Amino acid sequence: GAVVSQHPSWVICKSGTSVKIECRSLDFQATTMFWYRQFPKQSLMLMATSNEGSKATYEQGVEKDKFLINHASLTLSTLTVTSAHPEDSSFYICSASQDYTEAFFGQGTRLTVV
Amino acid sequence: KQEVTQIPAALSVPEGENLVLNCSFTDSAIYNLQWFRQDPGKGLTSLLLIQSSQREQTSGRLNASLDKSSGRSTLYIAASQPGDSATYLCAVRRNTDKLIFGTGTRLQVFP
Repeated sequence: GAVVSQHPSWVICKSGTSVKIECRSLDFQATTMFWYRQFPKQSLMLMATSNEGSKATYEQGVEKDKFLINHASLTLSTLTVTSAHPEDSSFYICSASQDYTEAFFGQGTRLTVV
Repeated sequence: KQEVTQIPAALSVPEGENLVLNCSFTDSAIYNLQWFRQDPGKGLTSLLLIQSSQREQTSGRLNASLDKSSGRSTLYIAASQPGDSATYLCAVRRNTDKLIFGTGTRLQVFP
């Protein structure tokens, strides 16, 4: 299957700082990428849909000013957690697919805000 | 609103057993359904994708079936192994839309 690479796999940051997470589709072009958040022992919660060259579409309840998404190219989307707080600590996962067929996921990023 | 439920929530079995994991969805107007595996602290690995026009898909010891009219899919794992221990998630997609995930089944296969 296709490969989606997410970086970093884990990050620790101080409260009030910003953190950027990258999601790359390595062997296909992804017009749409999705960003999820996962709490311990729970399923994935969709945060936003990222479309190349346009603004992201955020799910209800997700703060667009806190979770900045940029999809600058067909192979790269970034999620920036701005002014991070301990409650933002979570597991973040990105997904990409070509033409809404099979979805492929990154390895996930464990964010810890101290 | 589409809701996806998976039963059982957790399953612990001895090695060698054949397993059936269930996935139910409330809206039968789906584009496709996908089964994933997630190991602790990791991302999701795609196992099988079933298009809405298909009835089943097979990959090795895995077989997934789809009954759109009744809103159900099953994942069959033959001859389970300890390495199959993981959380299994099903997800449905309606047209060119987002994936809606089920609640997951945590599987433990012991030697």
